[in-house]
Amino acid sequence: KAGVTQTPRYLIKTRGQQVTLSCSPISGHRSVSWYQQTPGQGLQFLFEYFSETQRNKGNFPGRFSGRQFSNSRSEMNVSTLELGDSALYLCASSSGTYNTGELFFGEGSRLTVL
Amino acid sequence: AQTVTQSQPEMSVQEAETVTLSCTYDTSESDYYLFWYKQPPSRQMILVIRQEAYKQQNATENRFSVNFQKAAKSFSLKISDSQLGDAAMYFCAYRTPSTGNQFYFGTGTSLTVIP
Repeated sequence: KAGVTQTPRYLIKTRGQQVTLSCSPISGHRSVSWYQQTPGQGLQFLFEYFSETQRNKGNFPGRFSGRQFSNSRSEMNVSTLELGDSALYLCASSSGTYNTGELFFGEGSRLTVL
Repeated sequence: AQTVTQSQPEMSVQEAETVTLSCTYDTSESDYYLFWYKQPPSRQMILVIRQEAYKQQNATENRFSVNFQKAAKSFSLKISDSQLGDAAMYFCAYRTPSTGNQFYFGTGTSLTVIP
């Protein structure tokens, strides 16, 4: 079974630009979550999508948005990039049921904002 | 508010020795789950071990075991017979059904294994 795939792996943007990151979950997984990882803040929850609906949202500004498609693939978008948005963005998939299930992570998309 | 604290930013251990990574959490929930995740350098994060709060027995997975002290809200990870491949960042995480699939992570402990 293929794992969680994130694209692109690395990208460099300048302040004010926007970026779109993509995530393909494990086959059969209907939940996709996004996390921002930085050295100072650790992993911070952005949002979770389940069956094309945002089910939960973290404490991030509206510049951060996402969506999920009918095949469970997800994208997240960051508009009007700021220097502080430089981070590793991790996508994680799961079955989506509220049990003891673990999150399966992708390798991440490393965003550098100049 | 749910918080997870890892007070050891860095740890080191000699190969074949045992090391314990600390984690404390704060919650008012009675039903929750605890996890330890491992993130090797430039590689994806993987689950090491998990513990259901309602279970009194400590979870074990081969060389990895936890010491779960519910009253103290402590969840430490013990790695026995440490191997070079254990070198990684280790994250403690918490999840409760009331917040859905949202995981709360600690800031991590970087483990170095010395040959």
